[in-house]
This record gives sequence, C-alpha cells and structure tokens, in this order.
Amino acid sequence: DAGVIQSPRHEVTEMGQEVTLRCKPISGHDYLFWYRQTMMRGLELLIYFNNNVPIDDSGMPEDRFSAKMPNASFSTLKIQPSEPRDSAVYFCASSLPRVAFLSATSYNEQFFGPGTRLTVL
Amino acid sequence: AQTVTQSQPEMSVQEAETVTLSCTYDTSENNYYLFWYKQPPSRQMILVIRQEAYKQQNATENRFSVNFQKAAKSFSLKISDSQLGDTAMYFCAFMKPGNQFYFGTGTSLTVIP
Repeated sequence: DAGVIQSPRHEVTEMGQEVTLRCKPISGHDYLFWYRQTMMRGLELLIYFNNNVPIDDSGMPEDRFSAKMPNASFSTLKIQPSEPRDSAVYFCASSLPRVAFLSATSYNEQFFGPGTRLTVL
Repeated sequence: AQTVTQSQPEMSVQEAETVTLSCTYDTSENNYYLFWYKQPPSRQMILVIRQEAYKQQNATENRFSVNFQKAAKSFSLKISDSQLGDTAMYFCAFMKPGNQFYFGTGTSLTVIP
C-alpha cells in the first residue's frame, strides 16, 4: 500500500481564495483524521470521520473550514475564504477500527500522510 | 477535557548520550493509549513507541523506552545511545476510547555530533 496520500504537497494562495486539500486514506481504514500543525499550537485535531461520517468536528476553527468524505477513499478539507493565519501544515491520517482495550495484541495506530504546507499571503 | 503537555520546547544531546523527553497528560479515563511520534525534517509522522494504560510494564523499542507513571499521569521518553538520525520533533500523544488523539506541542530534539 502507498500509505496515506495527500495533495497538494505545497499550496500558496492569496487571502480570500478558496483552498481545497485532499486526502486518500489507506485502503481498509475506517477512520480518517485531519490535523493542523503550527508553531504556536502544535498539532491540533480538526475533525475525524468514521465510515465516512463526521464524528467530531469540535476542532474546526470556524465556519470557513469544512470537511467532507464522500466515500471511503477520499476526503477534502476546504477553507473558504482563506486567511494568512490559516498558514500551517495540514496532515491527514487514517487508522483501522477502534481497538479492543482488553486485547494485548491490537491497537489502532494512526498512519499519517506527508502533509500539505499551506501558505496564505 | 484531555490535555497533553510537553514542557520542553527544545532539547539537545550529544551523540551516543541518553536524553529524556517529558510528557504529562490530564484525563479522567481509565483505559487509554499513549504514544510518542517522531517528525524528522521530512515532516512525515513516525510512530516511535506506544503504551497501553492497563499495562504496568514500560514499553521498550530498541533504543527507545518510556517511563509510564499512571498515577502521576506522566509518560516520558528515553532515547539511549542517541544518533544523528534522532534529530526531529517529538510529539507525545494520548488516545482515549473512540479513537480521538490529543497531541502535545512537541519537543525539538537536536543530536550534536
């Protein structure tokens, strides 16, 4: 498997423009996560999906941010309109279903994509 | 709410020496997982080591080991025989039931030749 795939790897845009980040999770993974990484706030969970359904979007900073997962192999994170403070690295991660905590042999490691570096001028 | 705190923004260590990165967390959960992730300059997030909260034995992966103190909610990472390739950002992470991760702000580790 190629791992989690994100595109584009780099995005430079001007304030006010719409930005769409894309993610293809690892085949068979039921969970998909979007993270934002900044120097000031570190790594923040924005939203995550289970079986294509958004479970928790409490980390989404504001209404300008939206995420969709139309099918098991594709997700988008959209920022409209973009602002300079949105500049960050955005990671997508996927994992297998929830681990059984009483099991000593299984857990659900998150596999991260390479990230998209977004710069909003 | 769950929080993860890494109080050391930057650290350095001489090659071949040992270094310990600290992490504390706050939770009311009893069952959970703890992780250390490494992020080298390539930016890829790499799992270094993981610990199940119900296990008392500290996890070990080659040169990497943890000191897990559940009562103190502490989860430090020890890197022995540091190598130049260990230079990276290290993130401590907490996972509660339901698959939700919480990360610390990271510790930038530099291994000095």
